[in-house]
Amino acid sequence: EPEVTQTPSHQVTQMGQEVILRCVPISNHLYFYWYRQILGQKVEFLVSFYNNEISEKSEIFDDQFSVERPDGSNFTLKIRSTKLEDSAMYFCASSERGAGGRDTQYFGPGTRLTVL
Amino acid sequence: AQTVTQSQPEMSVQEAETVTLSCTYDTSESDYYLFWYKQPPSRQMILVIRQEAYKQQNATENRFSVNFQKAAKSFSLKISDSQLGDAAMYFCAYRSAPHNDMRFGAGTRLTVKP
Repeated sequence: EPEVTQTPSHQVTQMGQEVILRCVPISNHLYFYWYRQILGQKVEFLVSFYNNEISEKSEIFDDQFSVERPDGSNFTLKIRSTKLEDSAMYFCASSERGAGGRDTQYFGPGTRLTVL
Repeated sequence: AQTVTQSQPEMSVQEAETVTLSCTYDTSESDYYLFWYKQPPSRQMILVIRQEAYKQQNATENRFSVNFQKAAKSFSLKISDSQLGDAAMYFCAYRSAPHNDMRFGAGTRLTVKP
């Protein structure tokens, strides 16, 4: 069964450093998402991406964050200058379509980001 | 803003018994979707079941079923014949039909006792 994959599983970085989290969505999916889950808190939506553009983003997704689909398979989340409060589990998800039919989002296993 | 509330931080059930996890949500919209996701210790979130708000019939998937009460804005998950592999964190989630962002509840940790 196809699944979303994410690398690395755990990333440790120093405050102020740039990190790139990588995701490979399910191959026939067209919509891609990032969510985060700070330890002990709810899963929160960050951004959705379709047709090489951001389609929606939350107030969390500020100028420190960017997303990109650099090739036909990868989807990345970049945090330019990490802060302590960016420490969280980051989940990538994908769906065949957006709002409407076949829009169920399938999640990857997550990348745990630790900012020291 | 839409919010999702799971009032049971932890639940436990005996193997082979039935358990119901509660979820309520707040919205002024009429067209939306509701989901239950399972997150076992491996951390990958797995879709358990999905309900379209326009459907009156409650969704079922094998041992998993929901009780969707639209007027009460309630969406509970029933797990029948609980198995050890059902032990996980369960998240209720809401998505407004025109939008892509999902709103999650805080989760309910389910323990299954042998």
